[in-house]
Amino acid sequence: DAGITQSPRHKVTETGTPVTLRCHQTENHRYMYWYRQDPGHGLRLIHYSYGVKDTDKGEVSDGYSVSRSKTEDFLLTLESATSSQTSVYFCAIRDVDLGKSDTQYFGPGTRLTVL
Amino acid sequence: QQPVQSPQAVILREGEDAVINCSSSKALYSVHWYRQKHGEAPVFLMILLKGGEQMRHEKISASFNEKKQQSSLYLTASQLSYSGTYFCGTESDYNTDKLIFGTGTRLQVFP
Repeated sequence: DAGITQSPRHKVTETGTPVTLRCHQTENHRYMYWYRQDPGHGLRLIHYSYGVKDTDKGEVSDGYSVSRSKTEDFLLTLESATSSQTSVYFCAIRDVDLGKSDTQYFGPGTRLTVL
Repeated sequence: QQPVQSPQAVILREGEDAVINCSSSKALYSVHWYRQKHGEAPVFLMILLKGGEQMRHEKISASFNEKKQQSSLYLTASQLSYSGTYFCGTESDYNTDKLIFGTGTRLQVFP
């Protein structure tokens, strides 16, 4: 358990409305990531953060923005949701264990449906 | 430029073996393997580093061929609990901040 929670866990919204998903971690990890998962596409990186106020784009960043004002929280915002953004969203943290290899651990996911 | 996984799906009887491959067109620093069960988050299995040794998780092992930019996951004497979708995540030599995941291999193990 990497101490990651996501909220909400399920959300149904309408096209054109703004949506914010929250990822919260309790172990002071520097790196945090947002992915979306769709059938046939696997996990695709939306945005990631390498520190407070430090973020970068992933492969599918169009239509999404992120913010990280505190180490423990990484927010993903859909400014105007579209049906193509219906997906399962996973947050992940990167756990760097000095002397060993580091990898990513995933939160439980948020299922978003845009009608 | 997602890595390519093969096969896309595997069906096994308990006790049988399987191999899942992950190939990239880029020079890789590491390959990470995950397993995801339906409705759950992906769970980390193991990591293969450039220049590192073959890794093992229970009866699952993996190798990394740096020259071919390819990793293989070996599932030996499969158990029902091995069912799920397996993903490889690759970390390139020029950007070790992020992983690029393959599209997954669905494994089903039947009694």
